[in-house]
Amino acid sequence: ETGVTQTPRHLVMGMTNKKSLKCEQHLGHNAMYWYKQSAKKPLELMFVYNFKEQTENNSVPSRFSPECPNSSHLFLHLHTLQPEDSALYLCASSQDGASPPSGDTQYFGPGTRLTVL
Amino acid sequence: LAKTTQPISMDSYEGQEVNITCSHNNIATNDYITWYQQFPSQGPRFIIQGYKTKVTNEVASLFIPADRKSSTLSLPRVSLSDTAVYYCLVGFYNQGGKLIFGQGTELSVKP
Repeated sequence: ETGVTQTPRHLVMGMTNKKSLKCEQHLGHNAMYWYKQSAKKPLELMFVYNFKEQTENNSVPSRFSPECPNSSHLFLHLHTLQPEDSALYLCASSQDGASPPSGDTQYFGPGTRLTVL
Repeated sequence: LAKTTQPISMDSYEGQEVNITCSHNNIATNDYITWYQQFPSQGPRFIIQGYKTKVTNEVASLFIPADRKSSTLSLPRVSLSDTAVYYCLVGFYNQGGKLIFGQGTELSVKP
């Protein structure tokens, strides 16, 4: 166990549905991340939150909406998704998202396998 | 343009040493190099991190040449349980701190 949990582990939704992914970290970290991992592709960073403030948004479509109510919880709200959004969505946390970002070890959750029909 | 490049796949046998190299030509002075391991249906797990020269921990070594444009993850005496995908991560601090994962190297260890 890494100390980062994600729910649900699997999600199937239609293109008109609205759903949310939840991530919780029990490590006392201050930074949290959302990644997308499509089949046979590298992890793509979507959003970064540092001390509850969004510090990075990598040109993610507005149908993905993150929310970070506190340093321990991170949500990804989904609406009107497309079939190409089907992927494994990974949440991670690190002690401090301050620069340099590559020096901060990230702890990943198990991911949510999302299928959009 | 920030980019990391790794071999797509590698094969090995139990007991052998495996070396996986990652190229990161545009690495900045402030950047660290981090390697992660990922098993199916799990999130990546931290293996090792380095800045320059050589770093060793209980599971791996990381070799970084003086120009830091590449790095090599070394797994000594691999076992079947080391079959996984290995990713290198560089932050490319001088390009806005973009966290760029390599495409991953799928290591298959055979008996």
